[in-house]
Amino acid sequence: GENVGLHLPTLSVQEGDNSIINCAYSNSASDYFIWYKQESGKGPQFIIDIRSNMDKRQGQRVTVLLNKTVKHLSLQIAATQPGDSAVYFCAEVNSGYALNFGKGTSLLVTP
Amino acid sequence: GAVVSQHPSRVICKSGTSVKIECRSLDFQATTMFWYRQFPKQSLMLMATSNEGSKATYEQGVEKDKFLINHASLTLSTLTVTSAHPEDSSFYICSASARMNTEAFFGQGTRLTVV
Repeated sequence: GENVGLHLPTLSVQEGDNSIINCAYSNSASDYFIWYKQESGKGPQFIIDIRSNMDKRQGQRVTVLLNKTVKHLSLQIAATQPGDSAVYFCAEVNSGYALNFGKGTSLLVTP
Repeated sequence: GAVVSQHPSRVICKSGTSVKIECRSLDFQATTMFWYRQFPKQSLMLMATSNEGSKATYEQGVEKDKFLINHASLTLSTLTVTSAHPEDSSFYICSASARMNTEAFFGQGTRLTVV
């Protein structure tokens, strides 16, 4: 059968509040990072990316912060909506192409 | 954005049979595609890197004779799960990038159930 493994950490927020999802990465040489959103039964969907020469990047309702000193990424979602409920993964790019994914965080938005 | 199409989205097969999953980049050429496996409530695990015109590179612990990868063209990679067993049941996802250090686009995933 399939591995059970550890359950994903869950962040529960109320609709309209801001969400902050954190991620630690492993390779200090990684120079490109991506946040993905994955809804149940679907493939990951690109949200926002950031390169290592930046420490902050903003998109529509989302902001990514990069702290290379402690190898930490965060994704901030403003005015969280029910449609934001999903699992969020950070990914670091190795060797130019391959993605190493973080463990993921399940975001649950309650009305 | 770019589109990666994966087919089929769901497949149920009998133990011992083989299943082929296709991954196509619809509007860009992908010299490299990637295959991932995902168990429930877990992250994506890279299985192999598929290179057009050459052999795939498999991650440690992934059986290359079990998971056959063919990247025959710049827009198509296939993953064949050979002699499938119930423990192969999982969600398989492909991705492709047009260029190095740019976003990877993912297929919709394939839910494989081996009975």
